[in-house]
Formats: sequence, C-alpha cells, structure tokens
Amino acid sequence: QKEVEQNSGPLSVPEGAIASLNCTYSDRVSQSFFWYRQYSGKSPELIMSIYSNGDKEDGRFTAQLNKASQYVSLLIRDSQPSDSATYLCAAQRAAGNKLTFGGGTRVLVKP
Amino acid sequence: GAVVSQHPSRVICKSGTSVKIECRSLDFQATTMFWYRQFPKKSLMLMATSNEGSKATYEQGVEKDKFLINHASLTLSTLTVTSAHPEDSSFYICSARDPGGSGELFFGEGSRLTVL
Repeated sequence: QKEVEQNSGPLSVPEGAIASLNCTYSDRVSQSFFWYRQYSGKSPELIMSIYSNGDKEDGRFTAQLNKASQYVSLLIRDSQPSDSATYLCAAQRAAGNKLTFGGGTRVLVKP
Repeated sequence: GAVVSQHPSRVICKSGTSVKIECRSLDFQATTMFWYRQFPKKSLMLMATSNEGSKATYEQGVEKDKFLINHASLTLSTLTVTSAHPEDSSFYICSARDPGGSGELFFGEGSRLTVL
C-alpha cells in the first residue's frame, strides 16, 4: 500500500465547474498536508496547506481534512483552463520532516 | 513564499560524464534541502536530505556514491550525478523549507538531465 494515494485521472471538468480531488494517507502520525500544482515540465508549486480537521479556503481553492478517515481533498471552484495540471497531495509527520507525495491527479479543464 | 533557484534547467551529457546541479535559497537560509527525482508521468521520489555542514541522508535504494550531495553553505546545495548513464535521465528537483513557515516545501525550477 502506498503511503499517500491519489486517483491518477485524468479528471475532466467543464470550465466553470467544480473539480474535486481526493487523497488518502496511511500514516496515522501525519500531521500536515499540502496540495501542490505541477504543470507539465515544471516543478511543483504550493497551493494549499492544511493542518487541522475541517475546511480551509483560499480563493477558488478549498482544502478539507479528516484525520479520522485519513482523507484530504481539494476543491477547485469555477475551474479555468489554466487549472489544467497535475495536483500532488503530500503528507508530513511533523514540521521539518520530509514530505511524502502521492502519485498526483491530472486535471483537464475543457473550455 | 520562499524562493529556491536551481541551475542548470536543462543539461545534456554523454554517458560516463558527471553533471553538477546547484540549488540555492535566495531569500532565506536553508539548513536542510531535499532532492527529488521525477520520471515522466510519475510522482516525486525523495532521493536524499541535504544537511548543511554534515553528510546527506539518502533514501533507501539511492546510491550515495552515484549521487553526491554537498551542502557547504546555508544557501547552496549541489547534486552531482557521477558517471551518468541513460537511465539517470530524469527531472531532478530540489526543495527547501522556509524556516519562518509551517513546514511547506518550496521547489526550485527543476533540472532536466538527458544522458546520451
């Protein structure tokens, strides 16, 4: 079992719709979670971080964390073609520790 | 967020040669940097943790004599791929943590290595 799992996709979403991405993790000690966006041929860029159960909103992005279910999600509202990328979920045991990445979900937003 | 710069962005070399990739933290001091490797359509795999002033910590299965890491200052870590072979062709990405942040990693631009 992989430590951090994501559906590889592609997740096809019409422009303006909500894209919903899911991530599960196996290490119960994980405390911090991150979503990165990676365009093809580029390095990842941080979108969101979440540390507590519940929702965290930043612009069009909402991260959700449920530690009891070991589940993290990312919602992208009003999806734009520029949101087409691979989204990587990462988990961390404690601040300063290494991040463990999932395989990524490829998102395609169609005009 | 913190700025991490990586150089070169692309490098092509012949089999058997060595290639050095530099990773710099531009606006903060990084006692720890991380080196990742990514194959096409795959996720990031941590290769090693680079520690300023001490030896790097390598992940299981990563040859330390093949991938030499030096972290001689608080703003610079280097990865040297020694005696490169075509199977070493990959996207190498360094990252560092902003000490003023909450654990987020910031990535360099990445270096695409092609070994002929």
